[in-house]
This record gives sequence, structure tokens and C-alpha cells, in this order.
Amino acid sequence: KAGVTQTPRYLIKTRGQQVTLSCSPISGHRSVSWYQQTPGQGLQFLFEYFSETQRNKGNFPGRFSGRQFSNSRSEMNVSTLELGDSALYLCASSLSLGQGTYGYTFGSGTRLTVV
Amino acid sequence: QQQVKQSPQSLIVQKGGISIINCAYENTAFDYFPWYQQFPGKGPALLIAIRPDVSEKKEGRFTISFNKSAKQFSLHIMDSQPGDSATYFCAAGFTGTASKLTFGTGTRLQVTL
Repeated sequence: KAGVTQTPRYLIKTRGQQVTLSCSPISGHRSVSWYQQTPGQGLQFLFEYFSETQRNKGNFPGRFSGRQFSNSRSEMNVSTLELGDSALYLCASSLSLGQGTYGYTFGSGTRLTVV
Repeated sequence: QQQVKQSPQSLIVQKGGISIINCAYENTAFDYFPWYQQFPGKGPALLIAIRPDVSEKKEGRFTISFNKSAKQFSLHIMDSQPGDSATYFCAAGFTGTASKLTFGTGTRLQVTL
């Protein structure tokens, strides 16, 4: 069974640009959540999607957005990149909303570097 | 009220020893407490989880102890092995309709020979 796939693995962007990250959840998983991981702030929740609808949102500026497609694949977009957006962006999928019985499965992340 | 405080920040344990990591939470509405293990270059992987209706859960060498009245929980790794060297995160969340987890700041564990 394939795990959570995130593409690309590494990305270097310039300040002011925008970026789109992709996540393919485990087959059958309908909920996709995104987290930002930095050495200073740790793992912080960005947003969660279920059935193509954003169900929960963390405390991030509007430059961070996302969407989910009918096949449960998700993308997140960051516009007007800032140096502080450099981080590992992690996608996690689960069968349904809530941690349920099995909780999350995380992908390996996309390492974004803003220069 | 959403914070999860984790300690220590780093831990060095000899092979065969017991590793203990502690976490404390504030929000009494949390009803799901997982521990994640993360190796360099990888995403966090669920290790073990507990719900507040039990005080202890054991899976192999890993045990969660939960103290609801003190709002604390801890991870014990028995017979620690070099392969356990990783960063460990505690977290708190809900089993209901919100998947969001609030994570602790992580503990970097090094198991020496």
C-alpha cells in the first residue's frame, strides 16, 4: 500500500514568488491536513481538507491557501513568499475527520527554501 | 490553552537503558494523545497513542503513562536501542470531527553504545 506522496521533495524559491506543493494521500483516505515544521516553531497546523472542503484552519496569514480535489489529492499554495516561509511542509492523511482509530499518516514533506 | 509542553529538549541514554519523555497539556477537552517518531529526512510516524480513559498503554518496548488529574503524559522506551535515536513528539488532539493536532516541541533522543 503506497504511503502519502508529497512532491516536490525540495524547492528553492525567491522572495516574492509563489509556490504550489502537492500531496497524494493514501488510497481511501479522505482527509488531508497540512503542517509547517521549523526548528523554531516546531510543527504547526496549517489547514485540513475533507471532501474538497476546508474544515479547519490554523493561525497562518491568508498567503497560505489550499484545496482538495475530488480524488482527495491536495495542493497548498503560498503566495508572496517571505524568508520566514522556509520550512518543511508536511502533509498528513487519515481515513476521515478526527483522529479516529488510526490517526495520521505523514508524508516525507517538501523542503522549501526561500532566498 | 492549546499548548503542549514537552521535556527534555534532548536526551542521551545508554543502550539498554530507559528513555523517558514528558509532556503536559492545558486543554482538558483533548481526548487523544499520540506520540510520533521522526527520523532525519522523514515525516513523523505514529508510534503509540492513548485516550484519557486509560492510565497506561504498552506496545512492545514503548509505554505511554497518562495522568489525567495532572494533565500530564509520558513516553517510556524500555531497553533503548541505537535505532531508537530520533526526535520524538508528543501531541494532543480530538477523536471527533477535527483532525488538528497540537504538537510538543520535540525531544531529540540519542542512544549510545
